[in-house]
Amino acid sequence: EPEVTQTPSHQVTQMGQEVILRCVPISNHLYFYWYRQILGQKVEFLVSFYNNEISEKSEIFDDQFSVERPDGSNFTLKIRSTKLEDSAMYFCASEQSTDTQYFGPGTRLTVL
Amino acid sequence: KQEVTQIPAALSVPEGENLVLNCSFTDSAIYNLQWFRQDPGKGLTSLLLIQSSQREQTSGRLNASLDKSSGRSTLYIAASQPGDSATYLCAVENFNKFYFGSGTKLNVKP
Repeated sequence: EPEVTQTPSHQVTQMGQEVILRCVPISNHLYFYWYRQILGQKVEFLVSFYNNEISEKSEIFDDQFSVERPDGSNFTLKIRSTKLEDSAMYFCASEQSTDTQYFGPGTRLTVL
Repeated sequence: KQEVTQIPAALSVPEGENLVLNCSFTDSAIYNLQWFRQDPGKGLTSLLLIQSSQREQTSGRLNASLDKSSGRSTLYIAASQPGDSATYLCAVENFNKFYFGSGTKLNVKP
């Protein structure tokens, strides 16, 4: 069964460094999402992406964040200058057009 | 801003019991509501999706209902099994943004 994959599974970085989190959505899906979950807190919506542009973003998704679909398969989340509070589990999800989202296993980001 | 609340936060039941998980939301102008399952250290798995015009959805032993006007949804799990042990999250979509509850952590004892 097709699934969403994410790499790396765990990323450790120093404060102020740039990180890129990678996702490979399910191949025929059209809508793509990033979420984060700080340890012990709710899953939070970051951004949705459709037709090669952002369709919606939350208040969390400020200028430090960007998303890109550089080719036909990858979907990336870049954090330009990481802060301690960016430490979280980041989930990618994709959707065909049925509103059911399929989540990847997540990338645990640790900012030191 | 949409707020999603789930009660109870944790639930422990013996195997075979039927149970109900609750989700409430403050803004009834939702597009849809989804129930997810999250296993420790894993991603989320969509269990049931209810569109705003629907009242309920069923999949196997799971039944989810939606009362949009009162801002409530329930997830009913019949004949619970130890493999159902996980955290169950509900999420609503409002104007293309998604809001999650804190989840109910379910433990089904053999």
